Amino acid sequence: AQTVTQSQPEMSVQEAETVTLSCTYDTSESDYYLFWYKQPPSRQMILVIRQEAYKQQNATENRFSVNFQKAAKSFSLKISDSQLGDAAMYFCAFCSKGAQKLVFGQGTRLTINP
Amino acid sequence: NAGVTQTPKFQVLKTGQSMTLQCAQDMNHEYMSWYRQDPGMGLRLIHYSVGAGITDQGEVPNGYNVSRSTTEDFPLRLLSAAPSQTSVYFCASSYSYWALGSNYGYTFGSGTRLTVV
Repeated sequence: AQTVTQSQPEMSVQEAETVTLSCTYDTSESDYYLFWYKQPPSRQMILVIRQEAYKQQNATENRFSVNFQKAAKSFSLKISDSQLGDAAMYFCAFCSKGAQKLVFGQGTRLTINP
Repeated sequence: NAGVTQTPKFQVLKTGQSMTLQCAQDMNHEYMSWYRQDPGMGLRLIHYSVGAGITDQGEVPNGYNVSRSTTEDFPLRLLSAAPSQTSVYFCASSYSYWALGSNYGYTFGSGTRLTVV
C-alpha cells in the first residue's frame, strides 16, 4: 500500500522569505501523480500544484514550485516570497495511475510571521 | 454551478445516535468519495464510489455505510455514533477515477464538523 509522510507538523516563516515543506512517499508503482493541497482556515481544499512522475521537470505555479526526486521518493514544496495569505495547512497527496483513490499525508501547518 | 455541496456544516450527536451526512454534486461526476480529517492523521478515505450503484471501502470504513443510487448524491451514514467518530468529514468528487491524477483532480466540499459526545 502507498504511504505519504509529512515529517514537519508545523513550520513558520517570515513574510517575504522562502520556505520548503517536505514530503516523502512509498510506492512500488512507476507511473503516478503527486499533489500539494492547501487548506486555509475556511477548510476549503485547494489544489496548489501537481507533478506527473514520468516528467523529470519540476512543476511550478507562480511562487510555488516542487523539488521532485523520484529515486528518493521525495516531493517537497517551495514557497517563495511568502505572503500572509499562504498561512494554511498543506497536504501532500499521491495517486498512482489508474488507482481509485488519493492518499494524503498528515499535513504541515504553515504560519507566516509579519 | 454549485460544485460539491455538503450538509450540514456542523453537527453535534450523542453517542449511539444515527445520522446521515449529505453530499451532492452537480458536475455529472462519476467518482465520489468520503474522507475524514483528524489532527496529525491527515485525510483518510472512508468509502468511495466509481459510479452509480457501485461503492467500495477505503482505509477506515468501520462504523460508516454508504450508497450511491444516483450520480449526484453520495450520503454517508453513521448508524450508531461513537466519540471516535468526532472529526471533520469531506466529500470529494471527480469526473472519473481515471481523472484523479489530472489537473482537474478532485473537487472538495466545504466539510462537515461532527462532534459526538
